[in-house]
Amino acid sequence: GAVVSQHPSRVICKSGTSVKIECRSLDFQATTMFWYRQFPKKSLMLMATSNEGSKATYEQGVEKDKFLINHASLTLSTLTVTSAHPEDSSFYICSMTTGRGYNEQFFGPGTRLTVL
Amino acid sequence: AQSVTQPDIHITVSEGASLELRCNYSYGATPYLFWYVQSPGQGLQLLLKYFSGDTLVQGIKGFEAEFKRSQSSFNLRKPSVHWSDAAEYFCAVGADSGNTGKLIFGQGTTLQVKP
Repeated sequence: GAVVSQHPSRVICKSGTSVKIECRSLDFQATTMFWYRQFPKKSLMLMATSNEGSKATYEQGVEKDKFLINHASLTLSTLTVTSAHPEDSSFYICSMTTGRGYNEQFFGPGTRLTVL
Repeated sequence: AQSVTQPDIHITVSEGASLELRCNYSYGATPYLFWYVQSPGQGLQLLLKYFSGDTLVQGIKGFEAEFKRSQSSFNLRKPSVHWSDAAEYFCAVGADSGNTGKLIFGQGTTLQVKP
């Protein structure tokens, strides 16, 4: 099946620094990419959606200046958490699909961010 | 607004026993419904989905789910649970009837399997 990787799997940073998380599709080209945030024992919260050739569309309440999403290519998306603070500590998950609509989303394994 | 509720936060079953995980959704039209499984260190994996047609949907790993419009439910079932089924299970509904592909996830149900 389709494989999505995320790097790094874990990152610890100091408050005020920026962190970049990469999400790559290894064996397919992704039309649409999603970024989620998952809190402990909680659901996945969609942060933003990006389609090929378009800027990311952020969900209500998600600060676009804090969470910078770049749909760099058909196989790569990056999430940069700028000026991270302890409340940004969370599990970040990306997913990708090969088409528009409700095609199967292929999920990365997630990145655990801890901000000290 | 669309929403998904998984009433059971944690379920423990014995290996070999049957399993049913509950999912209720709120959506005005015919929903797009999904069940995903999340294992530690791995990305969420699609078990099955319902878009239309036969209300009993077969998925991977021996799972099935039944769409019941009258009850706004999409419960996941497996006749005989294996120890490897221990994981987090998420029900999800398509956020709209358009082509965004956005999903709304339930809170998840943690499945523990006793030997």
